[in-house]
Amino acid sequence: AQSVAQPEDQVNVAEGNPLTVKCTYSVSGNPYLFWYVQYPNRGLQFLLKYITGDNLVKGSYGFEAEFNKSQTSFHLKKPSALVSDSALYFCAVRDMRGGATNKLIFGTGTLLAVQP
Amino acid sequence: KAGVTQTPRYLIKTRGQQVTLSCSPISGHRSVSWYQQTPGQGLQFLFEYFSETQRNKGNFPGRFSGRQFSNSRSEMNVSTLELGDSALYLCASYDRLGGNTEAFFGQGTRLTVV
Repeated sequence: AQSVAQPEDQVNVAEGNPLTVKCTYSVSGNPYLFWYVQYPNRGLQFLLKYITGDNLVKGSYGFEAEFNKSQTSFHLKKPSALVSDSALYFCAVRDMRGGATNKLIFGTGTLLAVQP
Repeated sequence: KAGVTQTPRYLIKTRGQQVTLSCSPISGHRSVSWYQQTPGQGLQFLFEYFSETQRNKGNFPGRFSGRQFSNSRSEMNVSTLELGDSALYLCASYDRLGGNTEAFFGQGTRLTVV
């Protein structure tokens, strides 16, 4: 079965410190992986994606993610956290079963809290 | 370029009623997907449309239905509402089906069933 796991419900980090939000996946074949962020009462905003190529992917707002095939992980990182980064973060994988589709399978989300 | 527009933003309905939600994708985008977001179940895929045809459907009862029009706008309908249908309903817009492009989401419709 194809799935995504975000093992941490919440991550707390002090402003200025590096942050990591963890994601592991389980898919058959090569994964298409995405990170989205959600602010309160808003939709999801795209941060970055991994399709193929370099394992380190750079995205919006200074975020980056590292694809690790052997560990089936796609952790989101940022060198220096901002209070404004506080939000709910979702990892997602494209469901490649059944032919052409845009269907995403989402993780349960990780609430990032950055303390000033 | 305008983003994804979902209307209405908020709805309050009574059990047993039906509701229709609307989604206008980004201009030029031809694929629309719908998701239900609840605290307990997270983000769950409802269905996706491309060129007015439903291409994929999630594991939801038949009370949930949708359609896509020739201008790519999409509607979803929930009949015989239940308390458990209270959720944020999100629409995602894509320029194509099955490529490697990312989804662009609307702000969602918050449905409350009382």
